[in-house]
Amino acid sequence: DTAVSQTPKYLVTQMGNDKSIKCEQNLGHDTMYWYKQDSKKFLKIMFSYNNKELIINETVPNRFSPKSPDKAHLNLHINSLELGDSAVYFCASSQDRLAGGTYEQYFGPGTRLTVT
Amino acid sequence: DQQVKQNSPSLSVQEGRISILNCDYTNSMFDYFLWYKKYPAEGPTFLISISSIKDKNEDGRFTVFLNKSAKHLSLHIVPSQPGDSAVYFCAARKIMDTGRRALTFGSGTRLQVQP
Repeated sequence: DTAVSQTPKYLVTQMGNDKSIKCEQNLGHDTMYWYKQDSKKFLKIMFSYNNKELIINETVPNRFSPKSPDKAHLNLHINSLELGDSAVYFCASSQDRLAGGTYEQYFGPGTRLTVT
Repeated sequence: DQQVKQNSPSLSVQEGRISILNCDYTNSMFDYFLWYKKYPAEGPTFLISISSIKDKNEDGRFTVFLNKSAKHLSLHIVPSQPGDSAVYFCAARKIMDTGRRALTFGSGTRLQVQP
């Protein structure tokens, strides 16, 4: 069973279109994330949701909007796609603990988005 | 402003030898450090971690060393195996004002283990 899954794996679309990437985790984690891996290969966090509540929202254009229908899903909607949005987007999940403890994030396989 | 830096984009070692991957950080608020391994077309997978109160953590062939005064950590793989060939990401965790935790990743080092 795949722990963190993303669909689609590849997405090719034209500038100006609106697209969505879906993410699901079956680990029972309470926190989910979206990361963008840019051309320089850095993994940069975009959003984080804990129990359906947005807790991290980095400086990301408001064309990007996360949607969390439940704890197991965190979808990423992108409006008016631009060339610079081309990247690999990774979803991840973890079990957050507010007081002490350690945690690891489990990543999905990534979605390669190409905007033409 | 990259708070976590992996200055070596690639590293090549012979099978059986030691691989040493390095990572430097600038933010003294980081309290936990992790190494992730990534194969092509897959997401990163957790490898090993270390708390800032320790200077060494070992798990089989993998050992992570932390030098807080130098703000430097390293991952040692010994003996290296061809299956270790992958991109290795260093990540550092800090606790935000909200009490939540966030990871900052380096840019990765591509390790190639030659048979």
